[in-house]
Amino acid sequence: GQQLNQSPQSMFIQEGEDVSMNCTSSSIFNTWLWYKQDPGEGPVLLIALYKAGELTSNGRLTAQFGITRKDSFLNISASIPSDVGIYFCAGSRNSGNTPLVFGKGTRLSVIA
Amino acid sequence: SQTIHQWPATLVQPVGSPLSLECTVEGTSNPNLYWYRQAAGRGLQLLFYSVGIGQISSEVPQNLSASRPQDRQFILSSKKLLLSDSGFYLCAGRQGNYGYTFGSGTRLTVV
Repeated sequence: GQQLNQSPQSMFIQEGEDVSMNCTSSSIFNTWLWYKQDPGEGPVLLIALYKAGELTSNGRLTAQFGITRKDSFLNISASIPSDVGIYFCAGSRNSGNTPLVFGKGTRLSVIA
Repeated sequence: SQTIHQWPATLVQPVGSPLSLECTVEGTSNPNLYWYRQAAGRGLQLLFYSVGIGQISSEVPQNLSASRPQDRQFILSSKKLLLSDSGFYLCAGRQGNYGYTFGSGTRLTVV
């Protein structure tokens, strides 16, 4: 079935550093989404991208929908300890009945 | 806005016992609903999804089943739990082409 390749699998960074993670696919998606999961909680939507080439920011987070529609990246600037968690990318086609395809996640650890 | 309620938050069950996890939706009508399982610190595995009452699609053949008796209710069940059923179970809802809203999850430990 559909798969998203998300990298890196895990990251250990110093507080204050910038973070970058990305997702790639062999298929086109019409929507890209980025979620964050805190330990023991359900994932929460961070950013949704609906248009190829779109660059969207949410505070210290910036995400882009790749021009080819087959990739997306998420950047976090000036990381802080509460950025710790698992970040998931997800891709969607136009049909609302088709389940989202999720990447396997990037586990972020921030060292104070 | 859509809110997903799941309970219980944690559950410890013996091998061979039945399971029933309930998910309810608040704030929207006719949502698509999903059950995911997550192994410790790992990715999200889609188990079942439903586009309407009585409509269930199974993604992974296994020891579990799902039902949607009402528009805003989605139930995950098992007749006899296995050790391998342990994990973090998440319910999610979706309307239209927007992303999912997830519940807070149920951590199931089968002993």
